[in-house]
Amino acid sequence: EVQLVESGGGLVKPGGSLRLSCAASGFTFSSYSMNWVRQAPGKGLEWVSSISSSSSYIYYADSVKGRFTISRDNAKNSLYLQMNSLRAEDTAVYYCARTISSTSCPNYWGQGTLVTVSS
Amino acid sequence: QSALTQPRSVSGSPGQSVTISCTGTSSDVGGYNYVSWYQQHPGKAPKLMIYDVSKRPSGVPDRFSGSKSGNTASLTISGLQAEDEADYYCCSYAGSYRYVFGTGTKVTVL
Repeated sequence: EVQLVESGGGLVKPGGSLRLSCAASGFTFSSYSMNWVRQAPGKGLEWVSSISSSSSYIYYADSVKGRFTISRDNAKNSLYLQMNSLRAEDTAVYYCARTISSTSCPNYWGQGTLVTVSS
Repeated sequence: QSALTQPRSVSGSPGQSVTISCTGTSSDVGGYNYVSWYQQHPGKAPKLMIYDVSKRPSGVPDRFSGSKSGNTASLTISGLQAEDEADYYCCSYAGSYRYVFGTGTKVTVL
């Protein structure tokens, strides 16, 4: 059974940093591209970033480019999101999500971790 | 990348059919056959209902079907049931490992 478990969310002040982690199990992690998708309270889903299976390709939404860094450790079956220079508008539930292929939209999602940016 | 456009809400009585549209551009919906649909209940993670325009994952009832014409994709729920009341989002591949989601539609079962 595919499982994705996010951790690392919490309350952080504007301008601060946070690192999210996603532990994957139930599939060959190193064979799949991975994504972070977020959802602000009461709002829709927003794709944040994606990373290919070997980390060769990395992409970001314009809203986080230059502030967020996605990475992965295939030996540890883990995905990460380093978030710097956080803003109030980054407040959201952050989901780790796996795709079927590098083109299909995510098919497996974690339960999400809440990041709150507030003074 | 702008969000795909969905109606804010649709409603129907039990047993009826409802259709949700998802309008994008030739750079996303119109350019690829990689549109997915998700169901999301309050406080829960999105659940995949349709992928690659019209494919249904195992376990999803065949009451759910997807299609696409030009820059617009559609999700149809036939034989509406009370448990179908939820938010629904579309998603499209937008090239280069990028994805764009729809604005979301609230389905109400009257």
